[in-house]
Amino acid sequence: KAGVTQTPRYLIKTRGQQVTLSCSPISGHRSVSWYQQTPGQGLQFLFEYFSETQRNKGNFPGRFSGRQFSNSRSEMNVSTLELGDSALYLCASCPMGASNTGELFFGEGSRLTVL
Amino acid sequence: EDQVTQSPEALRLQEGESSSLNCSYTVSGLRGLFWYRQDPGKGPEFLFTLYSAGEEKEKERLKATLTKKESFLHITAPKPEDSATYLCAVQAFSGTYKYIFGTGTRLKVLA
Repeated sequence: KAGVTQTPRYLIKTRGQQVTLSCSPISGHRSVSWYQQTPGQGLQFLFEYFSETQRNKGNFPGRFSGRQFSNSRSEMNVSTLELGDSALYLCASCPMGASNTGELFFGEGSRLTVL
Repeated sequence: EDQVTQSPEALRLQEGESSSLNCSYTVSGLRGLFWYRQDPGKGPEFLFTLYSAGEEKEKERLKATLTKKESFLHITAPKPEDSATYLCAVQAFSGTYKYIFGTGTRLKVLA
């Protein structure tokens, strides 16, 4: 069974640009969450999607957005990039929504560097 | 405010030297506590889920325990391949369900 796939794995952008990251969850998983990981802050929750609906959102500015498609694949977008957006962006899928306790299955992440 | 704190931040052990990692939490409506292992450049890998105080789970050299305020990850006779960052997370409910992660413990096991 294929795991969570994230693309691209690495990317470099400059300030002011925008970026789109993609995540394909494990087959059959309907919940997809996104996290930002930085050395100082650890994993910070961005948002969760379930059946194409955003069910939960973390404390990030509106420059961070996401969506989920009918096949459960998800994308997140960051507009007007800032230096502080440099981080590892992790996608996680879950067989059930967050209303059911369940472990998260993570992808290997997309490493974003903003210059 | 819901919070998860892990200690120590970093730990160096000799091969075979057992130790414990701590995860203390203050959350409302705890649904579950999770331990993950993260290798450099990779996403976290699920290890254990604990649901209630007194519960214990084991996997090879690792054993996770849970009380009402904290969880411990005991590592018995570690090997160099156990070197990784260990993350603790809780799933809590306060209006909505959410996962809260600690900042992790970086473990280095020396041969």
